[in-house]
Amino acid sequence: GAVVSQHPSWVICKSGTSVKIECRSLDFQATTMFWYRQFPKQSLMLMATSNEGSKATYEQGVEKDKFLINHASLTLSTLTVTSAHPEDSSFYICSARLSPNYGYTFGSGTRLTVV
Amino acid sequence: AQSVAQPEDQVNVAEGNPLTVKCTYSVSGNPYLFWYVQYPNRGLQFLLKYITGDNLVKGSYGFEAEFNKSQTSFHLKKPSALVSDSALYFCAGSNRDDKIIFGKGTRLHILP
Repeated sequence: GAVVSQHPSWVICKSGTSVKIECRSLDFQATTMFWYRQFPKQSLMLMATSNEGSKATYEQGVEKDKFLINHASLTLSTLTVTSAHPEDSSFYICSARLSPNYGYTFGSGTRLTVV
Repeated sequence: AQSVAQPEDQVNVAEGNPLTVKCTYSVSGNPYLFWYVQYPNRGLQFLLKYITGDNLVKGSYGFEAEFNKSQTSFHLKKPSALVSDSALYFCAGSNRDDKIIFGKGTRLHILP
C-alpha cells in the first residue's frame, strides 16, 4: 500500500512555457503532499507543502507565483512551473504519507529540462 | 532547528564485505527516522524506519539500522554488500507532526 505515482517522468520544454507535473496517491488519500527539488549530486530541498482544499505552504525562498501548486482532491496534487527558464531545470519529486507512523512514500520523480 | 547529518559524501566497500552508512540526527521529542535509497533519475525508495520499539530495525534488501539515542545516531548497515547496492542513500528524520528533514546523502560504491 501507499503508492505514489508521478507523471511525467521526464519533460523537455522551451523557455517561457509552462509545465505541469502530477502527483497521485494511488491507494490512499493524502490530505498533505510535499514537493521537493533536487539538484545534481545534492539532497532534496523541500519546496512546498500541498494541502488539500487550501493554499500550499511554501518554503522560504521559493516563488509561489513561479511554482503553482494545486491540491484539488485527496489523491492529486499538481506542480506547475510557470514561464520556465533553463535555471528551473532540475529533478522534481513529490511525496505523501499514509499516516504519521507510516513514513513517506515518494513518486518516481520528474526530470525537467528547459531549453 | 532540526537536522540530519550524513558525514560521508561517499563510501566504498568491496563486494561481500559489511557496509555502514552513517547518520546522526538532531530532532526534538521522539524522533521518527528513515532511510531511503535513490537510483539514478528515480525517486526515493523506502528502506526502513524507526518510530518506536526495538532499537535494531530491519528493512528491505537485507539492510538494517540501529537507533542509538545516547549517540543520536541511526547508522545503516548490511552484513554483506552487493554490487547492486551501489546507489545514493538518504537518512531522514522528523518528529510526529513536523516535516521530514533529509541528510545530504551518501553515495555508496560497491566494488566487485
